[in-house]
Amino acid sequence: NAGVTQTPKFRILKIGQSMTLQCAQDMNHNYMYWYRQDPGMGLKLIYYSVGAGITDKGEVPNGYNVSRSTTEDFPLRLELAAPSQTSVYFCASRGGLVTDTQYFGPGTRLTVL
Amino acid sequence: DAKTTQPPSMDCAEGRAANLPCNHSTISGNEYVYWYRQIHSQGPQYIIHGLKNNETNEMASLIITEDRKSSTLILPHATLRDTAVYYCIEGFGNEKLTFGTGTRLTIIP
Repeated sequence: NAGVTQTPKFRILKIGQSMTLQCAQDMNHNYMYWYRQDPGMGLKLIYYSVGAGITDKGEVPNGYNVSRSTTEDFPLRLELAAPSQTSVYFCASRGGLVTDTQYFGPGTRLTVL
Repeated sequence: DAKTTQPPSMDCAEGRAANLPCNHSTISGNEYVYWYRQIHSQGPQYIIHGLKNNETNEMASLIITEDRKSSTLILPHATLRDTAVYYCIEGFGNEKLTFGTGTRLTIIP
């Protein structure tokens, strides 16, 4: 299993540009999550999904959109990039049981200039 | 905001046991305590979790007080590769987990 994969690893955007951060998992997990981590800070939840076709907001959803058309994929869309969105973005997935743990991807480092 | 309280940093000598404390005084009866760690800028990695009883796996031990208001993660023989930020989190597995700022553990040669 590849686990949780994220692309790209690094990206530089100009203010106002758009992009999609890709996340895929091959563990047939129901739950998927997007977090952002600013320097020296903990992770903040952006959006999460409990299954294909179902998404919900986390702590910091403004400026982002998600979709979950398949179990495997959970892309994160930035429509109008702003410097405040400069961060490292982590995708995670977990199974459906209460005791299942989260598996994280390697992250995408995004800089908005 | 995170519902747990952890010291911001700790040092431990290589080969010794690292004991990382966590306060979770508002934990409810059916919430678990989870521990994750983040090495350098990698994605967080699961370590262990527990509900009421003490737990042990190949990575660590988790000691939960009887009133469940605090816990301690124990790395029995710390190595340099254990240098990381350790997060203590309370919650249901089915809910979104809230990561605080964790404890930065430095293993000293």
